[in-house]
Amino acid sequence: EAQVTQNPRYLITVTGKKLTVTCSQNMNHEYMSWYRQDPGLGLRQIYYSMNVEVTDKGDVPEGYKVSRKEKRNFPLILESPSPNQTSLYFCASNAGGQSYNEQFFGPGTRLTVL
Amino acid sequence: GQNIDQPTEMTATEGAIVQINCTYQTSGFNGLFWYQQHAGEAPTFLSYNVLDGLEEKGRFSSFLSRSKGYSYLLLKELQMKDSASYLCAVRKGGSYIPTFGRGTSLIVHP
Repeated sequence: EAQVTQNPRYLITVTGKKLTVTCSQNMNHEYMSWYRQDPGLGLRQIYYSMNVEVTDKGDVPEGYKVSRKEKRNFPLILESPSPNQTSLYFCASNAGGQSYNEQFFGPGTRLTVL
Repeated sequence: GQNIDQPTEMTATEGAIVQINCTYQTSGFNGLFWYQQHAGEAPTFLSYNVLDGLEEKGRFSSFLSRSKGYSYLLLKELQMKDSASYLCAVRKGGSYIPTFGRGTSLIVHP
């Protein structure tokens, strides 16, 4: 089954404790993205990747890091989480090319930073 | 950059028709998407428009006017399960990843 998986689905942590949210896709997609979703603000892009070892900042990258060492994986790293990073996080992937190539989203990770 | 506007909230009656508008400003244009998102769940793809006109898919249709920077999503024969957020997303020229609007929360009541 074609899918994007994220782990963990729920996480409560404390300020300053490094954490990683994993994302994996099995569709051989070139493009992967991380979004955060907050009430009234919609989906805002954190980072995206166009292929292995190619990443770039989105609209709200501060406080986050990513890596793309393999095509299928795109982990999101919070080196020193703060309460303002409490949010619902979505990973997404899509193919490139000229057709529409919609994004496929993971199930989401609800993060609370105390 | 990109600027995408859609109404924050709409309400409609079961069985009725509702139109959700989206206006955008972007440097270059490479397609407009509509996604549906139920509370606490991931967005799911509804439609894609890159040329002007209407695309119909069952009870859902999406329209695009590139010259006006305008799209709408039309939902017919509304059902209670259509209560969700509807996200407009625009892909600018040269990019394969869209930018999302803030979404329209649709409430369908009996």
